[in-house]
Amino acid sequence: GENVEQHPSTLSVQEGDSAVIKCTYSDSASNYFPWYKQELGKRPQLIIDIRSNVGEKKDQRIAVTLNKTAKHFSLHITETQPEDSAVYFCAARKEGFKTIFGAGTRLFVKA
Amino acid sequence: EPEVTQTPSHQVTQMGQEVILRCVPISNHLYFYWYRQILGQKVEFLVSFYNNEISEKSEIFDDQFSVERPDGSNFTLKIRSTKLEDSAMYFCACSGTDTQYFGPGTRLTVL
Repeated sequence: GENVEQHPSTLSVQEGDSAVIKCTYSDSASNYFPWYKQELGKRPQLIIDIRSNVGEKKDQRIAVTLNKTAKHFSLHITETQPEDSAVYFCAARKEGFKTIFGAGTRLFVKA
Repeated sequence: EPEVTQTPSHQVTQMGQEVILRCVPISNHLYFYWYRQILGQKVEFLVSFYNNEISEKSEIFDDQFSVERPDGSNFTLKIRSTKLEDSAMYFCACSGTDTQYFGPGTRLTVL
């Protein structure tokens, strides 16, 4: 069935360093890949997304890359700050259909 | 900016009781979803709803679950006879085409 694998499950970085989270998806029909940030007890908040016809997208300190052939996509956060500490979820979706989430990465940014 | 709202924020119920979780999606969105998140785990798809009918559902969404859009603004999830394992955070979401916006969630505790 459809599946999204996410690694690592936990990531600890020093403030100012970069953080990279990687995901793979199984359904080749997936064409939309959002990333969500979830703080403790809060809702998932969309931070960036990418469609399958684009290989890379950047928004300030956050970038996402997509390799459709390999069914890999990654989140890159540069110049990390303590407030970036949260759980990050990747997800994959076919338009109008269900979103399949990865298991999440708990990011700790140490000051 | 319009937001998805959910009520109640926390629901405590006895096993075997019925619960109804309510959501008010963003007004011009066409797709509606329910997800659940067991504490510390990933977000899991339950059901999607489009054009006044279920468009897709997961294995979790069995006969104990139902959804309804009773009045064109509210979107409800009913659990007929709650089980202990139904304890989770339930998120409503909606979308136009791509981006899904999540509500703040209802924490359901089944005793």
